[in-house]
Amino acid sequence: GESVGLHLPTLSVQEGDNSIINCAYSNSASDYFIWYKQESGKGPQFIIDIRSNMDKRQGQRVTVLLNKTVKHLSLQIAATQPGDSAVYFCAEGFYNNNDMRFGAGTRLTVKP
Amino acid sequence: KAGVTQTPRYLIKTRGQQVTLSCSPISGHRSVSWYQQTPGQGLQFLFEYFSETQRNKGNFPGRFSGRQFSNSRSEMNVSTLELGDSALYLCASSKGDFGTDTQYFGPGTRLTVL
Repeated sequence: GESVGLHLPTLSVQEGDNSIINCAYSNSASDYFIWYKQESGKGPQFIIDIRSNMDKRQGQRVTVLLNKTVKHLSLQIAATQPGDSAVYFCAEGFYNNNDMRFGAGTRLTVKP
Repeated sequence: KAGVTQTPRYLIKTRGQQVTLSCSPISGHRSVSWYQQTPGQGLQFLFEYFSETQRNKGNFPGRFSGRQFSNSRSEMNVSTLELGDSALYLCASSKGDFGTDTQYFGPGTRLTVL
């Protein structure tokens, strides 16, 4: 069936470097994508979203890129900080439906 | 503004029992969604309630049910518990406007079925 997956289950970066977390999705009909951050012992926290009519969207220190041709989503974090250490999930779905499908998650570790 | 609260935070039950989990959304939010999170399956959508009505439903058996009260607080119930129901159950609240509407997650209820 359709699924959402992540290329890298773990990512370790130096403080101050940029991080890139990737996600592949299978359902070409998906038109809405979200990145979440989950810290230990907490629920997921919304980071940024993007609709399928866009290729790029920027937030504070984060950028999401969407490549519909290859069904690929990425999250870029600029100047990664220790507080960015967490598990990051991508989710795909439809703009008018809360039934989002989540990827397995990537654990980002930031080394001081 | 208080965040989403879930009670209890931890719960231990045995197979065959039933359990009720509670979620209090952020004040003013009318939508509450429930998710199950396990190491093997990740985060999976259970259902969403909006204005006391189930608006969306994921692919879970009928043992999983929920309801929402007039004050937007929501409960989910799992009957005839199975070992595989051990998971972190998360609820998320939002205003109820799709897409542009950010979901805010609670800390979750950790359910262990023995």
